[in-house]
This record gives sequence, C-alpha cells and structure tokens, in this order.
Amino acid sequence: EIVMTQSPDTLSVSPGERATLSCRASQNIDFNLAWYQQKPGQAPRLLFYGASTRATGIPARFSGSGSGTEFTLTISSLQSEDFAVYYCQQYSNWWTFGQGTKVEIK
Amino acid sequence: EVQLVESGGGLVQPGGSLTLSCAASGFAFSGSAMHWVRQAPGKGLEWVGRIRSEANSYATAYAASVKGRFTISRDDSKNTAYLQMNSLKIEDTAVYYCTRPAYGDCLDPWGQGTLVTVSS
Repeated sequence: EIVMTQSPDTLSVSPGERATLSCRASQNIDFNLAWYQQKPGQAPRLLFYGASTRATGIPARFSGSGSGTEFTLTISSLQSEDFAVYYCQQYSNWWTFGQGTKVEIK
Repeated sequence: EVQLVESGGGLVQPGGSLTLSCAASGFAFSGSAMHWVRQAPGKGLEWVGRIRSEANSYATAYAASVKGRFTISRDDSKNTAYLQMNSLKIEDTAVYYCTRPAYGDCLDPWGQGTLVTVSS
C-alpha cells in the first residue's frame, strides 16, 4: 500500500498570507495525485488532479505542484473561505489519502 | 449537473448488517465505476471499495479493513450503487460517501454522505 504523509498537521495562517502544504508518497506515483478541500459538515471537494491541474471553479490563488513522491499545495493569499482541512490522495495504485492538514486562522 | 445522494445510514449493533444506497444522476452511470469512501468521526478519509462498469465485468475491489465483510453492487436500471455491510464493528462507525472517478482516477464529485453508527 502506498502511504501518503502530509505536513504539517495544522497550519496557522493569517488572512491574506500564503499557505504551503506538503504531501509525500511512500513510492513513486508520477503525477497521479489529487488535492481535496473539506469544510466542517461538508463532503470533500476536488481542487486538483494530475498534481497541478485545477478542477472546475477553483480560484487561481490555489496552485499545485510536484511529481514522483513530493507534492505541494499553495494558497497564495488566504481568504476566509479557505480555512478548512486539505487532503492529498494518490490514485496511482489503488487509492489512499493523506491524514489531512488543517488550515486554521492565526 | 452530477449528483450523488446516499441513504440508508443509521444505528446498528455490533455484528449487525446495513445496506447503503447511492442514487446517481446527471451522468452516464452505467459506464462509470463507483466508489465508497468513509470518514470516522474527527478522522481522515479512508477508501472503502469500488465497483466497475458492466463493460469491465462489474469488477470489485475492497480495502483490507472491510474485505470479506462489505460488498459493493449496482443496479444500472436504477442508476444506484449499493454498499452492503455485514459483521459490523464499532470501528466501522463513520460517514460513508459515494463518489465516482473523474479526470482519470481521482474522485469527483462526492455525495453528502450518510452516517453509520455501530454501537450497542
């Protein structure tokens, strides 16, 4: 099983600041990585697929990068609606998720 | 618009059974695989399993934690997928989401989820 590890577990950021979230795969997954956003009481929402392709309707302040085993999700200027939990997921070999990074208001 | 609506959750005793449904609309359901993902209270996401389309022989696959206890099926005439859960354990308590593959094999969109509580 491919293990996905996210860091940090919690990120405290002020509105308007930049947030950088990391995701590491235990083995090479090429570009087979997705990012999801989940707000309390809601289902996850797809942000990125193929590591760096924005899903429909995702604002340009969100960007994804990486390949192989190291991936990054960046939010350039945090808005109030961006405070949420973010999960990475690999779909190279079955499907596994990272444990999540909570982005909270500083 | 693609919509997925889960139903069937509730309270069940350890060792009991429950069947969840996922009603789909807005896309070609019969040609799509369907997945189930769960989330224990306050925890992260765990892939449960998937069923492929008729063209792929309705092949199923399951996470090790549920293999042999859970069964995924589908009724293409009703645009509905099912998750039959047997021999339920306390640790199966979770919100269960159905979702479908998109853009390759990532999952989008997701239903609103249905809560299953296993407790005596």
